[in-house]
Order: sequence, then C-alpha cells, then structure tokens
Amino acid sequence: AQSVAQPEDQVNVAEGNPLTVKCTYSVSGNPYLFWYVQYPNRGLQFLLKYITGDNLVKGSYGFEAEFNKSQTSFHLKKPSALVSDSALYFCAVESSARQLTFGSGTQLTVLP
Amino acid sequence: NAGVTQTPKFQVLKTGQSMTLQCAQDMNHEYMSWYRQDPGMGLRLIHYSVGAGITDQGEVPNGYNVSRSTTEDFPLRLLSAAPSQTSVYFCASSYSITGDQETQYFGPGTRLLVL
Repeated sequence: AQSVAQPEDQVNVAEGNPLTVKCTYSVSGNPYLFWYVQYPNRGLQFLLKYITGDNLVKGSYGFEAEFNKSQTSFHLKKPSALVSDSALYFCAVESSARQLTFGSGTQLTVLP
Repeated sequence: NAGVTQTPKFQVLKTGQSMTLQCAQDMNHEYMSWYRQDPGMGLRLIHYSVGAGITDQGEVPNGYNVSRSTTEDFPLRLLSAAPSQTSVYFCASSYSITGDQETQYFGPGTRLLVL
C-alpha cells in the first residue's frame, strides 16, 4: 500500500526567507507525486506534480519541488516566502485509477 | 467553465437522517471522486467513478453510496447519518484515467455536521 508522510504539522517562516515543506512517500513502482494548497474555507488547488524526468519541478506561484528517489522525498520549496503563502499544504501520491493518497497536511505560516 | 461545483456549502443533520451531497462538473471529465477531510488526517477517498455507470469504493466507503448516471454528476448519499460522518467533503474530477497523470480539480467543499 502506498503512503505519504508530512512530518511537520506546522512550519513558520519569516517573509522573504526561503521555505521548505517536507514530504516523504512509500510506493511500489514509479511514484506520481503532487502538491496541493488549501486556503481557509476553500477547496484544494493544484500546485505542481512530478511524473517523470527532471527532479526539480516548477509549479504555480513560484513554488518548486525536488524529487529525490534515494531518500523517497518530494519537498516543496520557495526561495522567498510571502505572507499570502500562508495556507495548508498537502503532499499526495497517485495510484492507478487516479486514487490520491494524501499526507496529513502542513500548516505554513509566513510571518511579516 | 464553472469547474467542479458542490451543493450545499453547509449542512446540519440529526443522527439517522439521510441526505445527498451534490457534485457536478462541466469539463467533460471521465473520472470523479469523493473525499472527506478530517483534522490531522488529510483527505481520504470515499468512492470514485471512472465513467458513467461505473463506480468503486475507496478507502472509507462505509455509510456512503454513490451513483454515476451522467458524465457531469456524481452525488454522494448518506443513508443514515452518524456523528462520525461530521467532516468536510470534497468532490474532484479529472479528464482521464490513462496516459499522463492528469491533474485532479477539486470543488469548494461541503461542511457537514451531524448532531
């Protein structure tokens, strides 16, 4: 069975500093990995995905994620955080037939 | 396109009552699914459908029924609501289930409180 772990419930970072939200995964076969963001009282919005190819994936709003097969990680990063980036972030892995398995989420707070 | 729409936005039920959460998409997507979101647990898949007339169970299907009579609609039915079903429910859709892993698009959610 596949699984996703987000080891940090909460990440705080100062505005302008780089941010990292961590994600590790466990799957059999090739992983299809996603990051979604959820703003308060809203649905999930797609940020980026890794299917194959370049280990550094660029996504929406200046976010990027680094796929590391040996460490089974897919950490989300941004060089310079904005207060408006404060939200709940979910890492997910996709099985066959489009079934997504989500991590428990990481609340990112960017402090002004 | 309106994308994925869900109604109602918020609902309060008494234990034992039944209701249907509506989900519709206007993107001609083959794949639709229902998730529930609970604090500290991420989203968990309830049921999914790979096309009209085809549904299957996800991780937490007990207490829920679904049907897919049209491509556009994928309602979720609670036959006899229980307090454990208090949650936020999200519907999602994507274009296909084969080939490149298509992005899933999520609706705004339905908050359900079962007393």
